[in-house]
Amino acid sequence: QVQLVQSGAEVKKPGASVKVSCKASGYTFIDYYLHWVRQAPGQGLEWMGRIAPNSGGTDYAQKFQVRVTMTRDTSINTAYMELSRLRPDDTAVYYCACSITLPGLANAFDIWGRGTKVTVSS
Amino acid sequence: EIVLTQSPGTLSLSPGERATLSCRASQTVTSIYLAWYQQKPGQAPRLLIYGASSRATGIPDRFSGSGSGTDFTLTISRLEPEDFAVYYCQQYDNSPPTWTFGQGTKVESK
Repeated sequence: QVQLVQSGAEVKKPGASVKVSCKASGYTFIDYYLHWVRQAPGQGLEWMGRIAPNSGGTDYAQKFQVRVTMTRDTSINTAYMELSRLRPDDTAVYYCACSITLPGLANAFDIWGRGTKVTVSS
Repeated sequence: EIVLTQSPGTLSLSPGERATLSCRASQTVTSIYLAWYQQKPGQAPRLLIYGASSRATGIPDRFSGSGSGTDFTLTISRLEPEDFAVYYCQQYDNSPPTWTFGQGTKVESK
């Protein structure tokens, strides 16, 4: 079945970087954008950006432009999200998500990973 | 940037009651770009509605979406115990490509 499997929880110090992975299975990885969404504790959902696995092209939310890098390895159907210069307010659950079954224009996310908890603390 | 404002913040209802959740946009949203999600504690969001009114695969018909322009509504016709959760609306803007979420409405058991 279609699924996105994310890497495990991370604890980082302020100023460090974190790289979260998202392994896709059950569909053709290069055919669908892969998005990253985060959720701080007790807060709402925040879109960070997306990557086109076939080309590697990216679109980032303005808030994260200078600190986020999204990449992919098509040989292992895996996408990565790296966030640099971490701050305590980057503590959040980071989700990968994509749109597989929806009509092309729908632009909603029907498949989600389980999330990766990233804690930033000194 | 389009801002989505959801109301109320919390809705206290009993099983069997009707829930009406609102999502208001700061600018006109193309209906096909409006979606609703359900999220339970410790879980990833689950897509309920896309294109403002189309149910996602496997979503019960007690969930319905409506609206256009700047005002959208998610209705749960008769609340089941498993429906108590937080609900988010989300929109897509194509210039530049951006997805934004409302702040959420919590539906809690009275």
